[in-house]
Amino acid sequence: DTGVSQNPRHKITKRGQNVTFRCDPISEHNRLYWYRQTLGQGPEFLTYFQNEAQLEKSRLLSDRFSAERPKGSFSTLEIQRTEQGDSAMYLCASRLNEGTGLHFGNGTRLTVT
Amino acid sequence: AQTVTQSQPEMSVQEAETVTLSCTYDTSESDYYLFWYKQPPSRQMILVIRQEAYKQQNATENRFSVNFQKAAKSFSLKISDSQLGDAAMYFCAYRRQGSARQLTFGSGTQLTVLP
Repeated sequence: DTGVSQNPRHKITKRGQNVTFRCDPISEHNRLYWYRQTLGQGPEFLTYFQNEAQLEKSRLLSDRFSAERPKGSFSTLEIQRTEQGDSAMYLCASRLNEGTGLHFGNGTRLTVT
Repeated sequence: AQTVTQSQPEMSVQEAETVTLSCTYDTSESDYYLFWYKQPPSRQMILVIRQEAYKQQNATENRFSVNFQKAAKSFSLKISDSQLGDAAMYFCAYRRQGSARQLTFGSGTQLTVLP
């Protein structure tokens, strides 16, 4: 169990640029989640995959956000035309089945200048 | 919609003492899971303890235990024999069993452990 891996750890970008984050879940976990966390707040759900299928999306996920999980393994989260309000920690998590807890990665901290 | 409320933004405890963190939630569901997560300064969220709503027995994991009051929709975390390494942000979280798959988190309680 190597844990959930996220890259990059930090990303600084200028407003209007596109960014992409990657998440590698624990290998046998077929459920993968993206959350966003702002300073001093709990994580907010963005989207959920079961294998390669994106089954749920939050209203927080505007049309500038897109997530994929090709082949049901790693996942990418892309933000187009970034805005300063997108600055946050983006957390990825995975789990094996219904009754287990989530395993989180270390997150990617995005700063939009 | 489900909501999770942590009314204590900050708590402190002396090393080796016991502290209780509060959490309340609002749901119309009868089957669900409740969790406490710990987020140290290193950022990674770590699962501390989980409770299935259908179980009357309170969950326990070593020094961590919960007081689950289903009727009151209360789910507090007790940390016994507090250690310096327990210092972190603690989040209470709710997940409905079945079709809803995401966690709803509270706003967190920052726990400081005093030597």
